[in-house]
Amino acid sequence: GAGVSQSPSNKVTEKGKDVELRCDPISGHTALYWYRQSLGQGLEFLIYFQGNSAPDKSGLPSDRFSAERTGGSVSTLTIQRTQQEDSAVYLCASSLEGVGTEAFFGQGTRLTVV
Amino acid sequence: RKEVEQDPGPFNVPEGATVAFNCTYSNSASQSFFWYRQDCRKEPKLLMSVYSSGNEDGRFTAQLNRASQYISLLIRDSKLSDSATYLCVVKGVQGAQKLVFGQGTRLTINP
Repeated sequence: GAGVSQSPSNKVTEKGKDVELRCDPISGHTALYWYRQSLGQGLEFLIYFQGNSAPDKSGLPSDRFSAERTGGSVSTLTIQRTQQEDSAVYLCASSLEGVGTEAFFGQGTRLTVV
Repeated sequence: RKEVEQDPGPFNVPEGATVAFNCTYSNSASQSFFWYRQDCRKEPKLLMSVYSSGNEDGRFTAQLNRASQYISLLIRDSKLSDSATYLCVVKGVQGAQKLVFGQGTRLTINP
């Protein structure tokens, strides 16, 4: 597709269950970012990939959160043993290499933990 | 201190007014700068990049002051459709390409 694609668009899960969120970046974009946004709040950085490696994963809130990227393309963010405070919109973005290159966002996955 | 700081607002201005937003960043090694716009319950989208010499795109003007580590956005002749949250973004703060977002400034244009 032409843009960043995220799936699912909405996810309701029970507390304690694991969830996987998927991001398909724009073809050729080597940088990929995950952010979290709670209602009425700003974007919280989670992790950034350059190719398949993650130079900066400092934003992952706890060891329940993990992410991987394969083939320099698709990325999966996994949240284990979900808690109610994990409820938020999870946004993925991708960009070309280099400074000055803009990032394009997907429409996000709205996660609700009940 | 946050890496990127913005006045959260909200700013409420009448249609046709000029409004200015400011943003400061903490790391002098930052390499590139952007303003994004986010509409309610939508993803952020690029409004404009910010260049050292300053740049203009229609009613929007962006300025960068590297010495003061300060970025600004000016909107002239504001329209109702300009109502949104404006996000200051800095790239290359830690590591080559990490994007750091400010908290955003909420703008409402009133008829």
